[in-house]
Amino acid sequence: RKEVEQDPGPFNVPEGATVAFNCTYSNSASQSFFWYRQDCRKEPKLLMSVYSSGNEDGRFTAQLNRASQYISLLIRDSKLSDSATYLCVVNPQGSSNTGKLIFGQGTTLQVKP
Amino acid sequence: EAGVAQSPRYKIIEKRQSVAFWCNPISGHATLYWYQQILGQGPKLLIQFQNNGVVDDSQLPKDRFSAERLKGVDSTLKIQPAKLEDSAVYLCASSIPFSRAYGYTFGSGTRLTVV
Repeated sequence: RKEVEQDPGPFNVPEGATVAFNCTYSNSASQSFFWYRQDCRKEPKLLMSVYSSGNEDGRFTAQLNRASQYISLLIRDSKLSDSATYLCVVNPQGSSNTGKLIFGQGTTLQVKP
Repeated sequence: EAGVAQSPRYKIIEKRQSVAFWCNPISGHATLYWYQQILGQGPKLLIQFQNNGVVDDSQLPKDRFSAERLKGVDSTLKIQPAKLEDSAVYLCASSIPFSRAYGYTFGSGTRLTVV
């Protein structure tokens, strides 16, 4: 079983649609969670951190369910510029946090006019 | 604040040749990471340095890959000899140290093609 699993997609949605990405992780001791965005032939960039209480940043909402070891990202009112690959990322360490990040393979989103 | 600098941007080599990549982290960042991203996959950690000491190199193929971070600043990653399956983007990142809120920032990467 992969440490971080995502549906690779692609997700093809029209502008204005709401789209949700899901991710599961295997290490129950994981403490930190992130969504990164990666544009074609570019480096990954932090989109948002994910907190247990859930968090929102504009059109983006991230949720964490520790019991189910499940992370989600919701994008509302999709824009053409949201087209990218979204990487689910987990920091697997507990108290001895060394910063190692485990990346899912990414989910590709294509927003069409 | 200047970001993480990497060079070269692109490199094409033949299998069995050697190659080296260079990374200059953000000033003052003690922790430096090298990741490998194969096409269609997420990045995978190869090696992590804290200052000039290795913290984690469990996924570094040590028979062909080596890395060093002299004086706790710049770092080089070397492959010798290269194989076709080493074709990937090599990403460097740094942090002071790891932030649970902010993760860390990657450089633009070196795209290696082995032919």
